[in-house]
Amino acid sequence: NAGVIQTPRHKVTGKGQEATLWCEPISGHSAVFWYRQTIVQGLEFLTYFRNQAPIDDSGMPKERFSAQMPNQSHSTLKIQSTQPQDSAVYLCASSLVDGYEQYFGPGTRLTVL
Amino acid sequence: SQLAEENSWALSVHEGESVTVNCSYKTSITALQWYRQKSGKGPAQLILIRSNEREKRNGRLRATLDTSSQSSSLSITATRCEDTAVYFCAPSNMGYKLTFGTGTSLLVDP
Repeated sequence: NAGVIQTPRHKVTGKGQEATLWCEPISGHSAVFWYRQTIVQGLEFLTYFRNQAPIDDSGMPKERFSAQMPNQSHSTLKIQSTQPQDSAVYLCASSLVDGYEQYFGPGTRLTVL
Repeated sequence: SQLAEENSWALSVHEGESVTVNCSYKTSITALQWYRQKSGKGPAQLILIRSNEREKRNGRLRATLDTSSQSSSLSITATRCEDTAVYFCAPSNMGYKLTFGTGTSLLVDP
């Protein structure tokens, strides 16, 4: 079991460019979560999928951020027109659909110059 | 404002000593989890304690929960250098949605 896989581990973009972050959940886990971590805000919930369906995106900024889960083996978080304030570590987690424990990936560190 | 917060930004102990991290939260809960995050890694769950439990143990770790005061503690006995990490409490009133505290950075010196 390789755990949750996130790629890339580091991404540097210029202001206004698009960034796509990838997450491969643990096989057999039906729930996928995205979080954002910064020094100032800490760990913030962004969005949640259950069985590939979007369930709760209450933490997603309304503009420029979108998340998808086209199949059970991967999810993407896309940020359009990146801004310096989007710089953060983006963490993906997965869990059994009825389980409390979330298994986190190592994160993608996004730096927007 | 934070729905959960640990009451210390940072703690430092010598290897072998015991340490306790405290957490307070502001919402009704069905469970509270403690996570640990080491440098460069994602958080990893240590203990889950449900709202009808008062104490839970996992090896050298012991978590307590007091729903009347909306507080929890995580104690680590016989600390090791590898316990150096940031510790978060994460209360939830829905199974999936975790609200992480601000975190306590623990340094265990050899």
